[in-house]
Amino acid sequence: DQQVKQNSPSLSVQEGRISILNCDYTNSMFDYFLWYKKYPAEGPTFLISISSIKDKNEDGRFTVFLNKSAKHLSLHIVPSQPGDSAVYFCAAPPESGGSNYKLTFGKGTLLTVNP
Amino acid sequence: GAGVSQSPSNKVTEKGKDVELRCDPISGHTALYWYRQSLGQGLEFLIYFQGNSAPDKSGLPSDRFSAERTGGSVSTLTIQRTQQEDSAVYLCASSLPGTQYFGPGTRLLVL
Repeated sequence: DQQVKQNSPSLSVQEGRISILNCDYTNSMFDYFLWYKKYPAEGPTFLISISSIKDKNEDGRFTVFLNKSAKHLSLHIVPSQPGDSAVYFCAAPPESGGSNYKLTFGKGTLLTVNP
Repeated sequence: GAGVSQSPSNKVTEKGKDVELRCDPISGHTALYWYRQSLGQGLEFLIYFQGNSAPDKSGLPSDRFSAERTGGSVSTLTIQRTQQEDSAVYLCASSLPGTQYFGPGTRLLVL
């Protein structure tokens, strides 16, 4: 039973346009959410997070939106750049909070930004 | 600065053989995690070490899997009598705790 779902395995956008990556979750007890980015042959790197008490967190070109009623979050990248091409994972720590180990990850979305 | 390193980067083995995967965490990080990513799947938690506490082994898929962390630093994940379904990328991460920093992974292929 997947608690974190990324239903789009891939997304292709033009350079300069907005990329929107979606994530749905089933456990309303999750305290916060994280996005990781992964290039081929490298480990995932932390990108941005959002607490469940917020509905938006922005860091440069990256903004994450959280809709708790819909149990949905999205990562917006604007403007998209070719270097953003990677697999993006949505993740959430256990509902008990505290240490954020045992992250539950979605299957990832492969973003391709075309020049 | 040195990040998390893992070795080997690739491992091909025959079904039934044992393999050992190594993880060198970031110096000073007290928490260490192992995950694996099978083809077409998300990252799956395997095991967690925090300081001198007993590890959380709840994610290990079978008793063929075990892990050690010696001296609070280097960790070894051992898979005994490998099966084809063990083929995956095995990722190690470390943290203070806090944000997890991942290594590049070991790509394991069991023939």
